[in-house]
Amino acid sequence: EAGVVQSPRYKIIEKKQPVAFWCNPISGHNTLYWYLQNLGQGPELLIRYENEEAVDDSQLPKDRFSAERLKGVDSTLKIQPAELGDSAVYLCASTPGGQSSDTQYFGPGTRLTVL
Amino acid sequence: LAKTTQPISMDSYEGQEVNITCSHNNIATNDYITWYQQFPSQGPRFIIQGYKTKVTNEVASLFIPADRKSSTLSLPRVSLSDTAVYYCLVGDSNYQLIWGAGTKLIIKP
Repeated sequence: EAGVVQSPRYKIIEKKQPVAFWCNPISGHNTLYWYLQNLGQGPELLIRYENEEAVDDSQLPKDRFSAERLKGVDSTLKIQPAELGDSAVYLCASTPGGQSSDTQYFGPGTRLTVL
Repeated sequence: LAKTTQPISMDSYEGQEVNITCSHNNIATNDYITWYQQFPSQGPRFIIQGYKTKVTNEVASLFIPADRKSSTLSLPRVSLSDTAVYYCLVGDSNYQLIWGAGTKLIIKP
């Protein structure tokens, strides 16, 4: 069974440019998470989807970040415009859905560097 | 919400048992505790989960005392490949998830 797929793996952009990250969760997983991970820190939740609905986006900086999961399968996270402080790893995770305690399956992440 | 505190780093030797403790003083009655392992350039991977007492699986044990203010991940007979960062996560049924900052474990030959 394929795991969570993320692309690109690495992205280098200049500040003020837009950037987008893509995530394809494990087939059949209804819950999808986007996390931000700074160096030496644990993941920080940005947004959680249940199918196509963003059920928790309270930590998403909505002035520059947006996300979508139109058909309840794959998802895109966008930053526009990017700032130097956005340099981090962006992780996507999925679970079958239904319980908070479900095991989260993570993708390898996208490492973003903003110059 | 519980705040989680872990040691920043630890080291040990191959074949030893390693115990990593996470402090979560404000844990609520029904909060669960999960541990994840992360290698460089990879996402975290589930190790073990529990609510109370002791849980054991094929790779680790999780010890949770009666007051549940801490939990200890135990890795038996570690090898070089266990060198990684280990995260403690406390979560509740409302999807409030508190991740620790991680413990960098280095296993020496």
